[in-house]
Amino acid sequence: ETGVTQTPRHLVMGMTNKKSLKCEQHLGHNAMYWYKQSAKKPLELMFVYNFKEQTENNSVPSRFSPECPNSSHLFLHLHTLQPEDSALYLCASSQEGLYGELFFGEGSRLTVL
Amino acid sequence: AQKVTQAQTEISVVEKEDVTLDCVYETRDTTYYLFWYKQPPSGELVFLIRRNSFDEQNEISGRYSWNFQKSTSSFNFTITASQVVDSAVYFCALSESLGGSYIPTFGRGTSLIVHP
Repeated sequence: ETGVTQTPRHLVMGMTNKKSLKCEQHLGHNAMYWYKQSAKKPLELMFVYNFKEQTENNSVPSRFSPECPNSSHLFLHLHTLQPEDSALYLCASSQEGLYGELFFGEGSRLTVL
Repeated sequence: AQKVTQAQTEISVVEKEDVTLDCVYETRDTTYYLFWYKQPPSGELVFLIRRNSFDEQNEISGRYSWNFQKSTSSFNFTITASQVVDSAVYFCALSESLGGSYIPTFGRGTSLIVHP
C-alpha cells in the first residue's frame, strides 16, 4: 500500500451536487492536511488536523467541510461548489518531529461544471 | 509578500545540461526548516530534502545538490546532467513554528522541462 491514498482520483460534479473526497494514510502519522492546487497559484493550505482535532482553517468557504474521524482518515465534503473551485486537491500527512515534512497523496482532480 | 519566492516559472533544458532552480525565502524566525519537493505529472509531491536553519552545509545526493546560504536567504537546487525523468514541477517550502507546530508554506513552483 502506498503511504497516502486519495479517492477518487478524478471527480466531475455540478454546482448543486454533494460529493466527498477521501484520504487515508498508512504511515502512522498524527497530522493530516488538505491543500488546494490551482493553475498558476501557489499551493493553498486549507485545513490541518492534529490528533483528529482541527488546528488550522485557512479562511476556507463553508462549502468545503472537512471531517477527520481518526488519525488515519480525512474527508473533504463538497457542496454547492463554484467553477473556480475546480483544482487538484492534495492530502498530506506528517508526524510531530518532522518539522513540516509532508507525505502527499496523488491528489483528487476536481472539475465543477 | 510571499514568504517563498521561486522566480523561475518554467525552465527548459536539453538532456545532460546542468540546471539550477532558485528559491529565496523570508522569515524572522531563527529556527526554521527548508524543503524541496518534486511533483511529477502523476500529481503526488515527493519529498527531496529538508534542511534546518542551523545547518548551512551544502548537500549532494547523486545528481542533486543543494546550496543553502542564510546571508542571502536562498536555498537553491541544482540538478547535474539532467535527464528526461527530471521533468516535473519543483517546489521550495519554508516551515516555521506556529504555536509549536510546523506547517510549510510553498513557493509557486518551477516547471522543469528536460528535452531529449
